[in-house]
Amino acid sequence: SYELTQPLSVSVAVGQTATITCGGDNIGRRDVHWYQQKPGQAPVLVMYKDNNRPSGISERISGSNSGNTATLTISRVQVGDEADYYCQMWGSSVIFGGGTKLTVL
Amino acid sequence: EVQLVESGGGLIQPGGSLRLSCAASGFPVSSSYMNWVRQAPGKGLEWVSLIYTSGGTIYADSVQGRFTISRDTSKNMVFLQINNLRAEDTAVYYCTRGSTSAAYFDSWGQGALVTVSS
Repeated sequence: SYELTQPLSVSVAVGQTATITCGGDNIGRRDVHWYQQKPGQAPVLVMYKDNNRPSGISERISGSNSGNTATLTISRVQVGDEADYYCQMWGSSVIFGGGTKLTVL
Repeated sequence: EVQLVESGGGLIQPGGSLRLSCAASGFPVSSSYMNWVRQAPGKGLEWVSLIYTSGGTIYADSVQGRFTISRDTSKNMVFLQINNLRAEDTAVYYCTRGSTSAAYFDSWGQGALVTVSS
């Protein structure tokens, strides 16, 4: 079965750029979507179809997808960006990555 | 404004049954791909089930045969019937609205906690 692989954690200093990856076999051929989940809250869609931001999502968040890796990039990271981030795609059914905890130093 | 509100969670003994409800507002569930996604304590997200606009349904392998998704378009609600509950079903269950292509989830409820324990 198809799997999406994310790093367990990413740490970045305030003001720097965070890069969160999502690996999968030829994932670049699929649409990948990203969710942000803060502690005690429901997930929120922050990127859809690789590089499209929903209304209300910060322009500091961008996405890309090529080859075997999809990437969510958060520039000028703020303390409020600290959260778990999940990638997701539709294979034979819905698939989520294991999630990445973003820690802001 | 799109809103999803889950209810029906609680503490259930193994082998028991439960029905979760999701009240939708701001859009018709009949025109949307509605899903349930769950999250075990301290774990990641797991998709559970989808009901298409046609009324057709699909399930994750892990719940096939025990879970049933349904909807009441007159009440604009979606339901998840869970039978033969197991400890590993303990999770927060989120009601979600799928995009027009059903590919991603653009709205989430606040979640309902289901705890399976004796």
